[in-house]
Amino acid sequence: DAGITQSPRYKITETGRQVTLMCHQTWSHSYMFWYRQDLGHGLRLIYYSAAADITDKGEVPDGYVVSRSKTENFPLTLESATRSQTSVYFCASGSRTRGYEQYFGPGTRLTVT
Amino acid sequence: AQSVTQPDIHITVSEGASLELRCNYSYGATPYLFWYVQSPGQGLQLLLKYFSGDTLVQGIKGFEAEFKRSQSSFNLRKPSVHWSDAAEYFCAVVGYSGGGADGLTFGKGTHLIIQP
Repeated sequence: DAGITQSPRYKITETGRQVTLMCHQTWSHSYMFWYRQDLGHGLRLIYYSAAADITDKGEVPDGYVVSRSKTENFPLTLESATRSQTSVYFCASGSRTRGYEQYFGPGTRLTVT
Repeated sequence: AQSVTQPDIHITVSEGASLELRCNYSYGATPYLFWYVQSPGQGLQLLLKYFSGDTLVQGIKGFEAEFKRSQSSFNLRKPSVHWSDAAEYFCAVVGYSGGGADGLTFGKGTHLIIQP
């Protein structure tokens, strides 16, 4: 089915471990985004990508790494997880032709112990 | 930089009553504005959007929003709410840099509670 998927949906990891969150979209949207959602902060942009091999930092990029070798995938890696990275992570995709409206995945709930 | 303010953290409305959720934005040029809804444990669903043209825009689920440039507002309305409308509502604006979009800037959300 067309859409945007995220995996895993739930993840518990320990401080210091590397974690990769996956995002896959089937619309061939040029833009993809990663947000984190925390109580009191709403959603904040971590990284975004305008096209394959083009990525840029958002509001809260520290501690995260992204790559985009294929248009449909946009993985987010926490190189050394910290408790402050406990959050719900949302991936989204969008296109310039639709005014940059974004479509969101179901989210990944990450807990760092 | 752009910003979005949703002044109401919580709003309680009786089922069948009308609803208005407030959103104020700060942006230098004509903004692209959005309203999203998030049900508990779910992702965000696009309700409606404003790009240009008619300042009153219609969305899904019976929602509408009015863009008022003079007030820098984009308030969401619904004439009669249903219990299923209970959710978190987010207003957002697209930011731009270097000729391309650089993601959405969200307000902190308004939690809508529906009383029977």
